[in-house]
Amino acid sequence: AQTVTQSQPEMSVQEAETVTLSCTYDTSENNYYLFWYKQPPSRQMILVIRQEAYKQQNATENRFSVNFQKAAKSFSLKISDSQLGDTAMYFCASTGGGADGLTFGKGTHLIIQP
Amino acid sequence: GAGVSQSPSNKVTEKGKDVELRCDPISGHTALYWYRQSLGQGLEFLIYFQGNSAPDKSGLPSDRFSAERTGGSVSTLTIQRTQQEDSAVYLCASSPLSGGQETQYFGPGTRLLVL
Repeated sequence: AQTVTQSQPEMSVQEAETVTLSCTYDTSENNYYLFWYKQPPSRQMILVIRQEAYKQQNATENRFSVNFQKAAKSFSLKISDSQLGDTAMYFCASTGGGADGLTFGKGTHLIIQP
Repeated sequence: GAGVSQSPSNKVTEKGKDVELRCDPISGHTALYWYRQSLGQGLEFLIYFQGNSAPDKSGLPSDRFSAERTGGSVSTLTIQRTQQEDSAVYLCASSPLSGGQETQYFGPGTRLLVL
């Protein structure tokens, strides 16, 4: 079984600032995958970034990067130069190597202030 | 190309009625997933299909819930004798193959309200 914990229900930062969203997880799998999804008010869940647990290098996608600490089971998301369009719910999720569905955290509501 | 589509976008029903929710995955995607998003429970995985087969139905909340997929494409999630606690957003996702390494692409969801 997997669990994902997001301890920040809501965060608010000014436009252009850098913000870090926290996520910890627990899994008994040796091979697993971690994801950050963004859900704007439109409800459409959009993949932000993904990380394979067997890769030591932290994933990066433009302004989005992760700090993956495997021993600590931590997977935080850093958003640089935040933009108004980044305002959304952000969900951390994990899955094992098999065909199970994603296990999601409770989410962090990120608000970017102008 | 077209993404995952779901219908209806919103559904209001009376307690005790049956409802059918539809998901059209991305063309060519063999794996299809159903999730439920509610205020109290967050995002819950319900069931997945590999082709037309659902190997594990244990994630369905009760025997009032059933799902099928035909022709390796469209899937329907049916809730019989709806209860107020079934009110939630039902999300569908698809991926090219099954397996944790695959990215799941989500539809916009169906918001179900049971009165």
